Amino acid sequence: DGGITQSPKYLFRKEGQNVTLSCEQNLNHDAMYWYRQDPGQGLRLIYYSQIVNDFQKGDIAEGYSVSREKKESFPLTVTSAQKNPTAFYLCASSIGAPGQGSNTIYFGEGSWLTVV
Amino acid sequence: EDQVTQSPEALRLQEGESSSLNCSYTVSGLRGLFWYRQDPGKGPEFLFTLYSAGEEKEKERLKATLTKKESFLHITAPKPEDSATYLCAVQVGYSGYALNFGKGTSLLVTP
Repeated sequence: DGGITQSPKYLFRKEGQNVTLSCEQNLNHDAMYWYRQDPGQGLRLIYYSQIVNDFQKGDIAEGYSVSREKKESFPLTVTSAQKNPTAFYLCASSIGAPGQGSNTIYFGEGSWLTVV
Repeated sequence: EDQVTQSPEALRLQEGESSSLNCSYTVSGLRGLFWYRQDPGKGPEFLFTLYSAGEEKEKERLKATLTKKESFLHITAPKPEDSATYLCAVQVGYSGYALNFGKGTSLLVTP
């Protein structure tokens, strides 16, 4: 089946630890995104990538890092510098080619991160 | 600053009781307005994209409309399975087509 796969679904982090959330897509999309969702809040953009080996900071990038070594994969690392990491993390992708007008963004099923 | 505001925050309807959700926006360079449905603990599911004022799109009991300042999601004769959070988002020309989301409207439809 085509889609976006996020893993793990649930992750627990101890204070001072870095953790990495996986995101893989087989939709052949160029663009990928990471959002964070907190209860009662809208989705907020962490990082985005329009092509392989390139990515840009979103609105709340502090304490996070990403890589885009392959078109299909866009892992997110939550570092110890992120002081309030407990949240629901959503990975998304779109065709992403500039000039094609609006691009529908499709989401994965999300990953819950809890600090213990 | 680009803003997306959804109202009401929560809405409770009886089965069959039609209503509308509102999404007002202030952005420069709108490329599209998106509606998503999100069930608890799941990722958002795409519903509609609207591109220009006056455009309308329908899917089953849902109909989305767009003006220059706001969008409405009309729900006709809702069923309990329509219960979910409905998210509105705008797409602008920067941030690589990333979406700017409102906080959502939580809809509960009771039998």
